[in-house]
Amino acid sequence: NAGVMQNPRHLVRRRGQEARLRCSPVKGHSHVYWYRQLPEEGLKFMVYLQKENIIDESGMPKERFSAEFPKEGPSILRIQQVVRGDSAAYFCASSPPVGQGARDTQYFGPGTRLTVL
Amino acid sequence: KQEVTQIPAALSVPEGENLVLNCSFTDSAIYNLQWFRQDPGKGLTSLLLIQSSQREQTSGRLNASLDKSSGRSTLYIAASQPGDSATYLCAVKGDSNYQLIWGAGTKLIIKP
Repeated sequence: NAGVMQNPRHLVRRRGQEARLRCSPVKGHSHVYWYRQLPEEGLKFMVYLQKENIIDESGMPKERFSAEFPKEGPSILRIQQVVRGDSAAYFCASSPPVGQGARDTQYFGPGTRLTVL
Repeated sequence: KQEVTQIPAALSVPEGENLVLNCSFTDSAIYNLQWFRQDPGKGLTSLLLIQSSQREQTSGRLNASLDKSSGRSTLYIAASQPGDSATYLCAVKGDSNYQLIWGAGTKLIIKP
């Protein structure tokens, strides 16, 4: 069983460019969560998605950030017009559908480290 | 609003010592608490998950305890080894939601 996969693992962008981070959940998982970890800090929740639905985006910055989890394919976290303060590690987690047990357990990917020059 | 605090922020001990990492949370209405390990530049490894109805969990040299009423959890590492050097993160899941609320971590260095 493949775990949560994220790519790229490292991403370098110049200020003003767009960053697209991908997350493929564990096979059969229909819930995806994105977290951001700023340097020397703990993780902060950004957004919770189910297939084709954004359930909670209360942790997402109001501008420039968006997320999707289409019916087919990986979840995408998109950051437009990146700024230096966006430099961080972005972690994706997934969990199974309700009723299949362990919905509360989130399985984490290796993260994408974004550096904005 | 749930807040999670980890003390100390950093800890350096000689190899072989037993040690305790602390995690405290402000809202006792939690669903579970989880300890993770993070190596520099790497992802997260789940170490132990304690459900709110449990008092402790053990895995090898690791033992995690939970005292919901006082809002505390400890991670006990026995007979520490240099390979235990990493940042240890504590995360709490609330009763009424799915978000994990994280502490800032304890950076542990085990000296050979």
